[in-house]
Amino acid sequence: EVQLLESGGNLRRPGGSLTLSCAASGFPFRTYAMSWVRQPLGKGLEWVAGISGSGDLPYYADSVKGRFTISRDNSRNTLFLEMNSLRRDDTARYHCVIDPWIQGNLALANVWGQGAPVAVS
Amino acid sequence: DIQMTQSPSSLSASVGDRVTITCRASQDISNFLAWYQQKPGKLPELLIYAASTLQSGVPSRFSGSGSGTDFTLTISSLQPEDIATYYCQKYDSGPKTFGQGTKLQIK
Repeated sequence: EVQLLESGGNLRRPGGSLTLSCAASGFPFRTYAMSWVRQPLGKGLEWVAGISGSGDLPYYADSVKGRFTISRDNSRNTLFLEMNSLRRDDTARYHCVIDPWIQGNLALANVWGQGAPVAVS
Repeated sequence: DIQMTQSPSSLSASVGDRVTITCRASQDISNFLAWYQQKPGKLPELLIYAASTLQSGVPSRFSGSGSGTDFTLTISSLQPEDIATYYCQKYDSGPKTFGQGTKLQIK
């Protein structure tokens, strides 16, 4: 079974830092690009950051560029999101998701973990 | 970065109505466009990819069209279970930006 399990969510003051982790299982992790998507309570989806399967190509939404860093450890099947200079508008539930577009295994697009809650206040 | 703009932001329609939601990209994204449905309290589910290809198991009343910068999601005959928020997402190179969402309600 394909699973994504996010952890590390917490309460932080504005300006603080936090690192989220996402443990992946049930699929060839290293061959898939991955992304972080966030959703504030009652609001829309926002794509935050993505990274290639090899980990050498990260990319970011303008709203987090320069503050967040996405990385991965393919030996541990784990995705990370390091968040610095946190702002109140970073408050959201953060989900890691699989980017299935290159490999074409579209069933993986519907695999979402329950997310990690981040509150900045 | 390429921006994705959906319209309308909310929509109220009757059961059986034909419903159309539009998504516009600020630059050409070819057909690298997906549509998701998110029902209240649930996680998003993929409806359509490659602008017009229906994901397995999705009812045939859903369809997608468009390429380049302008895309549409159509529900041919609205059903009560279609109450949800719908998002478009670009998935060409770089940021995989979502539209801001269209909240669909039953009139």
